[in-house]
Amino acid sequence: DAMVIQNPRYQVTQFGKPVTLSCSQTLNHNVMYWYQQKSSQAPKLLFHYYDKDFNNEADTPDNFQSRRPNTSFCFLDIRSPGLGDAAMYLCATSRPVGEQFFGPGTRLTVL
Amino acid sequence: AQSVSQHNHHVILSEAASLELGCNYSYGGTVNLFWYVQYPGQHLQLLLKYFSGDPLVKGIKGFEAEFIKSKFSFNLRKPSVQWSDTAEYFCAVKLVDSSYKLIFGSGTRLLVRP
Repeated sequence: DAMVIQNPRYQVTQFGKPVTLSCSQTLNHNVMYWYQQKSSQAPKLLFHYYDKDFNNEADTPDNFQSRRPNTSFCFLDIRSPGLGDAAMYLCATSRPVGEQFFGPGTRLTVL
Repeated sequence: AQSVSQHNHHVILSEAASLELGCNYSYGGTVNLFWYVQYPGQHLQLLLKYFSGDPLVKGIKGFEAEFIKSKFSFNLRKPSVQWSDTAEYFCAVKLVDSSYKLIFGSGTRLLVRP
């Protein structure tokens, strides 16, 4: 089945220790998104790619970076995680027109 | 700034009760509208969507929603809920002439008692 895959599902890191979250898709969608979702809150868009074109949300902290080496993969790098970065990170994909398809998320814990 | 409001943060119903979850958005242009559901421990899944045409749209699992343009609303309904409908429901809006991003409401947590 075509899908959005996120690895790992659970990630524990230490305060200030860089971490990379991974997303891959078999849907061949042009657009890939990273969201941060904290408990009982709506997903908050961090950035998205249309193909190689990167779009950063104005309020996304500089601590968050992303890479998209090819159509299928997208990475979220958190350079120096703080306690406030503990959250569920969701990857999604879409065509330019149409709904977004979400992965299962990676739950990040910062100790 | 554009926003999406979901009026009920927590809803508790008994099985077989009818459900209506409110969603309003603030944007005067063309929109695509979505309801997503997140079951406990699972990822966000699309329940239904509206792009154009018939404002009454039917989704999976017996859910439907009605787009009322004059009220900027897209309320979700189900005539008879089941225990398995316990989940969090998110309304989302995409601004067609603006970008690819979805603007999510804050979510409604539904608990259905058996």
